[in-house]
Amino acid sequence: GENVEQHPSTLSVQEGDSAVIKCTYSDSASNYFPWYKQELGKRPQLIIDIRSNVGEKKDQRIAVTLNKTAKHFSLHITETQPEDSAVYFCAARSGSNYQLIWGAGTKLIIKP
Amino acid sequence: EAEVAQSPRYKITEKSQAVAFWCDPISGHATLYWYRQILGQGPELLVQFQDESVVDDSQLPKDRFSAERLKGVDSTLKIQPAELGDSAMYLCASSPLEANTEAFFGQGTRLTVV
Repeated sequence: GENVEQHPSTLSVQEGDSAVIKCTYSDSASNYFPWYKQELGKRPQLIIDIRSNVGEKKDQRIAVTLNKTAKHFSLHITETQPEDSAVYFCAARSGSNYQLIWGAGTKLIIKP
Repeated sequence: EAEVAQSPRYKITEKSQAVAFWCDPISGHATLYWYRQILGQGPELLVQFQDESVVDDSQLPKDRFSAERLKGVDSTLKIQPAELGDSAMYLCASSPLEANTEAFFGQGTRLTVV
């Protein structure tokens, strides 16, 4: 089955700087890669996703890149703000059995 | 805006008791997931349904956990007997049949076993 690894587990950046979180996956049949943001005590909320037929997607300060050959994808947040502080999860969904498997999460801390 | 409904929001139960959680997915969503999330960790898939059929329950502790989605709509997750280590957030999510689409999460049920 699919296995998703996420790094780093904790990331601390100065407000205004960029943050990058990386994930790798194992199942070549995976074709959908969402990123979720989870604030303490709340449910995960989708912030951006990418499908396997594109290499990059951007939405304002957030971008995701996908390298299918290397089986890795990354989340990029530019001009970080205090409200970006949260736990971020990557996930991969198989096109064969629709499993949605998650990474372990990255706690992003924005220092004022 | 359609949402995934879960109940109860919070549940406190004594160990060895039975507990059940309910999930009503977004109308028309064929895929339903139950996840368990321990504080500080990522969601762990417990069971995945495609309509009324179980697609994956390999991580479901079947000696004490059961899940059903009899009519392919709403779903129930049961634990009997509950153990202290079952304390966690139980999240339900649903998505349309297409593989490359977003999964929508309910608010979750926070279970505390005492």
